[in-house]
Amino acid sequence: QQKVQQSPESLTVSEGAMASLNCTFSDGTSDNFRWYRQHSGKGLEVLVSIFSDGEKEEGRFTAHLNRASLHVSLHIREPQPSDSAVYLCAMSSGGNYKPTFGKGTSLVVHP
Amino acid sequence: EAAVTQSPRNKVAVTGGKVTLSCNQTNNHNNMYWYRQDTGHGLRLIHYSYGAGSTEKGDIPDGYKASRPSQENFSLILELATPSQTSVYFCASGVGPQNTLYFGAGTRLSVL
Repeated sequence: QQKVQQSPESLTVSEGAMASLNCTFSDGTSDNFRWYRQHSGKGLEVLVSIFSDGEKEEGRFTAHLNRASLHVSLHIREPQPSDSAVYLCAMSSGGNYKPTFGKGTSLVVHP
Repeated sequence: EAAVTQSPRNKVAVTGGKVTLSCNQTNNHNNMYWYRQDTGHGLRLIHYSYGAGSTEKGDIPDGYKASRPSQENFSLILELATPSQTSVYFCASGVGPQNTLYFGAGTRLSVL
């Protein structure tokens, strides 16, 4: 079973500074990757999906995937206090509809 | 607007009692999922379904049953609730193979 590790566990940044979150996985069989955001007491919402090596941008959110390095990252440009939330990465293989989630990174953005 | 709605949002149950968590989706998605979220464990998959009438075991199915009577509805059943099942439960729907998941707001269950 795919194992997913997220780092750091928590991150504090100032408003406007870049926030970078990381996710490493245990094998290269996954071919679709997503970053979700979860505000306190809420469900998860998808931010960006990426299916091939390289980068994918959705507004202020950019995902970078390097399957050879077993690594996917999320960069948040100009974070705002409303971006304070837990960010989870998830991955699955094309024929397997069971995504595996990391434990999340708690992001705090100070004004 | 497409949505995943969970009920109840909060539930207090007694040990040994039966608990049913309900989920309704208007996304017309084939796949539906039940996860639980606990500090230190993240999201763990309990049961999932590929369509009406189907249920599959996830990674931690023990102590849970699932029912998918229709495309829209997916229930999680705890026949004999235990305190270890105190958690926040999330339902999600998705359609493959891209399979972005769309989540409900969660149900907070406390078993006393």
